[in-house]
Amino acid sequence: GAGVSQSPRYKVAKRGQDVALRCDPISGHVSLFWYQQALGQGPEFLTYFQNEAQLDKSGLPSDRFFAERPEGSVSTLKIQRTQQEDSAVYLCASSLRSGIDEQYFGPGTRLTVT
Amino acid sequence: SQKIEQNSEALNIQEGKTATLTCNYTNYSPAYLQWYRQDPGRGPVFLLLIRENEKEKRKERLKVTFDTTLKQSLFHITASQPADSATYLCAREDSNYQLIWGAGTKLIIKP
Repeated sequence: GAGVSQSPRYKVAKRGQDVALRCDPISGHVSLFWYQQALGQGPEFLTYFQNEAQLDKSGLPSDRFFAERPEGSVSTLKIQRTQQEDSAVYLCASSLRSGIDEQYFGPGTRLTVT
Repeated sequence: SQKIEQNSEALNIQEGKTATLTCNYTNYSPAYLQWYRQDPGRGPVFLLLIRENEKEKRKERLKVTFDTTLKQSLFHITASQPADSATYLCAREDSNYQLIWGAGTKLIIKP
């Protein structure tokens, strides 16, 4: 069956460029999460959607980061004016229900800002 | 701060032995903990969830314990195999939906 997919898998951006990262969750999953993972660290929460509603964006590191899920399925994480410290793996996860539930992760997008 | 801590050093285990990984939490008492496996270049994969009122949970060769007095969860893999080599992550809830993650412990099973 189809799992969570993310695209692109790898992205190299020059400092100052805008990037858009896409997440296709498992069909029918209510919850969608974005995480940032640095090398050798666990995922760090960025934001959470319940269907199309963004219920928590407290983990977004700055106002350069923006996420949306307009129809309650596909989600996009946008980073404006990228900086070197944005280099990381960005993980998307979905879960069937709202609230805490086992999460299904995509393979991640590795972003490198040069 | 409300941290969750895992052994940062890699754990080397001989094939066939039991591997035990530790997850400690401070201050906040979570209602449950989750354990995930992560392979290089991939996203984490859910393994087990244990609630605070469950002392132990099992799934095939995996066993998780939750000791609220010690503020610790132990994750065991019995009859370990080289294919079990991966990084294992522990996570606790911080709100109704946020998870706080440990840095993970890298497990290496040697044939």
